[in-house]
Amino acid sequence: DGGITQSPKYLFRKEGQNVTLSCEQNLNHDAMYWYRQDPGQGLRLIYYSQIVNDFQKGDIAEGYSVSREKKESFPLTVTSAQKNPTAFYLCASSKASGSYNEQFFGPGTRLTVL
Amino acid sequence: AQKVTQAQTEISVVEKEDVTLDCVYETRDTTYYLFWYKQPPSGELVFLIRRNSFDEQNEISGRYSWNFQKSTSSFNFTITASQVVDSAVYFCALIKGGSYIPTFGRGTSLIVHP
Repeated sequence: DGGITQSPKYLFRKEGQNVTLSCEQNLNHDAMYWYRQDPGQGLRLIYYSQIVNDFQKGDIAEGYSVSREKKESFPLTVTSAQKNPTAFYLCASSKASGSYNEQFFGPGTRLTVL
Repeated sequence: AQKVTQAQTEISVVEKEDVTLDCVYETRDTTYYLFWYKQPPSGELVFLIRRNSFDEQNEISGRYSWNFQKSTSSFNFTITASQVVDSAVYFCALIKGGSYIPTFGRGTSLIVHP
């Protein structure tokens, strides 16, 4: 089955540690995205990528980093510089840039900083 | 800049009631696309419908219907005879023509009681 996988589902981190969230898709989509979801805040865009080896900052990129070395993979690193990283993180993908294309989402990773 | 407003933070209904989720958008573009997504408790957003700015036809899919009115910049979503399985957070989103980055509303949490 085609889809997006995110791992782990739950992640606990100590303050001061970097942590990497995995996102893999087998939909052959060109574009991939990372969102952060906090209660009552909706979805906020962290980073997005349209093609391999290229990515752009979203609205709240500070304290995060990404890479796009393969079309299928778009890992997100939450660095120690992120002041309040506890949140639900969603990865998404869509077909090559087209405004009419819907996004497909993964099941999310819930990150808790202890 | 685009803006999507979902003024209803939370709606609570009893099973079999009809419920309408409001979505009001702002954009200066003449070409744009509107979307609705459902986020069940499992966390993964699921695409429900897409509408382009040139197609104001309403759409019905089973118990779901959508009312797109450019005159009021609204794209409302009605669930007829609601069921407990409809309990979820629903997001409205807009993508302007030429972009592939959606602007999401903050979501409406729908709780359907048995």
